Amino acid sequence: SQQGEEDPQALSIQEGENATMNCSYKTSINNLQWYRQNSGRGLVHLILIRSNEREKHSGRLRVTLDTSKKSSSLLITASRAADTASYFCATAAEGGYQKVTFGTGTKLQVIP
Amino acid sequence: DAGITQSPRHKVTETGTPVTLRCHQTENHRYMYWYRQDPGHGLRLIHYSYGVKDTDKGEVSDGYSVSRSKTEDFLLTLESATSSQTSVYFCAIGELHEQFFGPGTRLTVL
Repeated sequence: SQQGEEDPQALSIQEGENATMNCSYKTSINNLQWYRQNSGRGLVHLILIRSNEREKHSGRLRVTLDTSKKSSSLLITASRAADTASYFCATAAEGGYQKVTFGTGTKLQVIP
Repeated sequence: DAGITQSPRHKVTETGTPVTLRCHQTENHRYMYWYRQDPGHGLRLIHYSYGVKDTDKGEVSDGYSVSRSKTEDFLLTLESATSSQTSVYFCAIGELHEQFFGPGTRLTVL
């Protein structure tokens, strides 16, 4: 089964509101990443948080990581219509294996 | 798309026919990956390569083979396409901390 599971599967909010997406994973990780995918396009890397970090910010993005609960959250503040996309978490396992495992994604719709 | 192209971008084929998808990069990255994306499954790794002629299986490798004869090209072959291989296929390059994705190939197997 997938390493990462996102929650909720779909989210619809009004422009200007905050959007929160959660990711849970199963095994120990080296890092966790979040990606965005606009409809019909490839994924774009947003932010990475390492296993020894608890919080990271990038512009309107805030990511938290709780390794004891094996979970992460992505917060998008002051959402815009252009944030409408699917968001995926991806985990890189401990042990140096050169691959990441993607979750099933959260589909975010921001209504203007 | 970070110097990554995929060809073809769309393909319709029939069950039992061989299909080869091509990924080409201009970034000289050592690592290249093939994923498939299906509703409800997210992205799943098919195969990856860590250098010329060096490849390894991912979680859904059955029915697929790959080859990498040059740093810039990574080919994915479906030896005998089945309807269950209808999907969107993405190539990616990069490392453990960040991957860059191509635009995808939409494959339909009738």
